[in-house]
Amino acid sequence: NAGVTQTPKFQVLKTGQSMTLQCAQDMNHNSMYWYRQDPGMGLRLIYYSASEGTTDKGEVPNGYNVSRLNKREFSLRLESAAPSQTSVYFCASRSLGGAYEQYFGPGTRLTVT
Amino acid sequence: ILNVEQSPQSLHVQEGDSTNFTCSFPSSNFYALHWYRWETAKSPEALFVMTLNGDEKKKGRISATLNTKEGYSYLYIKGSQPEDSATYLCASSNTGNQFYFGTGTSLTVIP
Repeated sequence: NAGVTQTPKFQVLKTGQSMTLQCAQDMNHNSMYWYRQDPGMGLRLIYYSASEGTTDKGEVPNGYNVSRLNKREFSLRLESAAPSQTSVYFCASRSLGGAYEQYFGPGTRLTVT
Repeated sequence: ILNVEQSPQSLHVQEGDSTNFTCSFPSSNFYALHWYRWETAKSPEALFVMTLNGDEKKKGRISATLNTKEGYSYLYIKGSQPEDSATYLCASSNTGNQFYFGTGTSLTVIP
């Protein structure tokens, strides 16, 4: 099992460019998440998908869109990148229910100049 | 949005010392608390998931307790080793869907 995979690992964008971060999991998990990690801020939830076909906003959704393509895949799109979106992005997945932990991908380091 | 706080922010201990950190969270509508271990250049890995008041979990030299009535959890490390050096994160949920993370406690164990 690969667990949770993310592509790309690194990306540099110019302000105004768009890109999609890809995430896939092979653990048959229902729920998937996108977080951003900034120094001194901890992990902040951008969007989540509790189950296939549903998506909901998290704490910091502005400037992002998501697609739950199928049970395995959950993508995060930046339509018009801004320097404030420079961050490390983590995807996570888990089974339904609070008693289950999240499994994290390796992260994508994004720099917007 | 849940306000989850962790203390201390960072900690340096000698090898062999025991240590503990605190995670505070809103006690109303509590659903679950997670602890994660996050090594530099890696992804967070789950240590414990706790849902019931009074829960105690243990994994080797690391253990955790949960008090949902007063809204805190303690993580203990007995006999710290250099390989325990990492950031320890806690995350709380009141719905079972969204989890709110604290900013973590950075532990350095000095050989």
